[in-house]
Amino acid sequence: QQQVKQSPQSLIVQKGGISIINCAYENTAFDYFPWYQQFPGKGPALLIAIRPDVSEKKEGRFTISFNKSAKQFSLHIMDSQPGDSATYFCAATNAYSGAGSYQLTFGKGTKLSVIP
Amino acid sequence: DTEVTQTPKHLVMGMTNKKSLKCEQHMGHRAMYWYKQKAKKPPELMFVYSYEKLSINESVPSRFSPECPNSSLLNLHLHALQPEDSALYLCASSPQRVSNTGELFFGEGSRLTVL
Repeated sequence: QQQVKQSPQSLIVQKGGISIINCAYENTAFDYFPWYQQFPGKGPALLIAIRPDVSEKKEGRFTISFNKSAKQFSLHIMDSQPGDSATYFCAATNAYSGAGSYQLTFGKGTKLSVIP
Repeated sequence: DTEVTQTPKHLVMGMTNKKSLKCEQHMGHRAMYWYKQKAKKPPELMFVYSYEKLSINESVPSRFSPECPNSSLLNLHLHALQPEDSALYLCASSPQRVSNTGELFFGEGSRLTVL
């Protein structure tokens, strides 16, 4: 029940195209959903995050869409650029589970390659 | 540049060696974390320190021993490791509970190879 399922495992997109990564969760206690971006040889970095009381959040070319009833959320990267090539992890956390509030449950990751 | 600094960046050790990984942050964060990341996998939580006290130990083998000397420093002492322990070890920090903002600040990691 603690899993976050992420797809696809890898994604190749042409420069200027839209990249879409999907995640699904089971635990309805999750209440914060961040996305992390990791470049090779670097640690992950927070990209964008959303709470379940909103259906969409946009920051520049990055948008999270959230469907609470379906327990799904997705990351859309508009006008994808070669510099966006990285591994993307969705994650979820729960503010109300004591020690669990220090934990992020990560998806398995999506390796995005944007080709010129 | 990351505000969480990890040393060394690379470490090669034998199975009988004792070594330590170090992590430092000066953002005033009160929660610090050790994660282990294998190739093509997500980070896997090992330990959490909250206000310099061990808050979470995710059933990590005793050959890994964390230490938090003060609010800015976090160490991971390594002893009698196995080749399967070879991985990228990531240190992270957060202002308080990660659930407040979902944000962890990760270092660049220490790449450990156990021969």
